[in-house]
Amino acid sequence: NAGVTQTPKFQVLKTGQSMTLQCAQDMNHEYMSWYRQDPGMGLRLIHYSVGAGITDQGEVPNGYNVSRSTTEDFPLRLLSAAPSQTSVYFCASSYSGGDQPQHFGDGTRLSIL
Amino acid sequence: RKEVEQDPGPFNVPEGATVAFNCTYSNSASQSFFWYRQDCRKEPKLLMSVYSSGNEDGRFTAQLNRASQYISLLIRDSKLSDSATYLCVVSHYGGSQGNLIFGKGTKLSVKP
Repeated sequence: NAGVTQTPKFQVLKTGQSMTLQCAQDMNHEYMSWYRQDPGMGLRLIHYSVGAGITDQGEVPNGYNVSRSTTEDFPLRLLSAAPSQTSVYFCASSYSGGDQPQHFGDGTRLSIL
Repeated sequence: RKEVEQDPGPFNVPEGATVAFNCTYSNSASQSFFWYRQDCRKEPKLLMSVYSSGNEDGRFTAQLNRASQYISLLIRDSKLSDSATYLCVVSHYGGSQGNLIFGKGTKLSVKP
């Protein structure tokens, strides 16, 4: 099994550009989430989904959109990139909920110039 | 008070040493507790869950004190491969609405 797959692994954007970070899992997990990790800040939850068709905001949702049309995929969209969104983004999933151990993808390193 | 606080580190220890990490959490309603390990420029990986009765996995022992809202991780006979950042993680709510809150991590460096 591939587990949680994130693409791309690296990306450089200019301020104002939009893009989508892809996340897919093949473990039939209901719960999926996106985190960002910044130096000195720890991981912070951006958005999460408890199942197909259901999404909700986490701690730092501004500037990001998500959708969950299938169980497998949970893309994260940056609407208009800003330098403050320069970060490492991790997608994670678990079988039943956010209170369970999460399986993480290997991350997307995003730089906004 | 931050939701999950950890020893700031870094901890620099020789091989074979015993090292302990501490973590406190602010929400008394927290339901689930974990220690994750994160290698440099890699994703976090679950090290172990933490149960009220305490639990052990090889050289690693985790303990939870709900009354004091305190979690600990003990690593015995440290190996070079234990060098990593250790993240204390707590969930606020149970079930599908539960979300994980991560501490900032404590960096461990095990030296020969």
